[in-house]
Amino acid sequence: TQLLEQSPQFLSIQEGENLTVYCNSSSVFSSLQWYRQEPGEGPVLLVTVVTGGEVKKLKRLTFQFGDARKDSSLHITAAQPGDTGLYLCAGDSHDMRFGAGTRLTVKP
Amino acid sequence: KAGVTQTPRYLIKTRGQQVTLSCSPISGHRSVSWYQQTPGQGLQFLFEYFSETQRNKGNFPGRFSGRQFSNSRSEMNVSTLELGDSALYLCASSLLPGQEWEQFFGPGTRLTVL
Repeated sequence: TQLLEQSPQFLSIQEGENLTVYCNSSSVFSSLQWYRQEPGEGPVLLVTVVTGGEVKKLKRLTFQFGDARKDSSLHITAAQPGDTGLYLCAGDSHDMRFGAGTRLTVKP
Repeated sequence: KAGVTQTPRYLIKTRGQQVTLSCSPISGHRSVSWYQQTPGQGLQFLFEYFSETQRNKGNFPGRFSGRQFSNSRSEMNVSTLELGDSALYLCASSLLPGQEWEQFFGPGTRLTVL
């Protein structure tokens, strides 16, 4: 059983569409990270959220941390083919725990 | 500034053999963590090293071990390889332990056990 549940598992959309992926847990985290991983590479850190209710924006990406610090979402506006990849959320609970990821494909 | 480097990038071994993977952290980073990534289990924490000492260990059998050298470089070893050990092994570094929010990953070593 994953400590962090990510949904959806797979997402295939057309360029220009918006999307939201979710990361949920029954545990409280002191911080939560979002990563993007491309094939053959290690995960690249996108953002860290720390405060409950926090919203962070990174160009077309908006990250939100739940008020109770148990869940988070990532919203992408006007997706581009370059956004294709595996999106992972991770939280610190004694050791780092990762969700299984959402595999996003953006078709041109 | 060079990123985290891992060698080798690809490795093929047979069951029963042992393997050693190497990780060089970003210059100045003193904490190194290792992860195993498989399609079925996702990314799982193996262990973390700081100042040549293992600080934290995940839920893996004793066949998985590691060490860190005085220059912060780290190695992990897997003995008596099993088919299920086939995975991408990732190393991540940070300035200090417990700074997961500033953890940078290497490209990984793809291990295939035949």
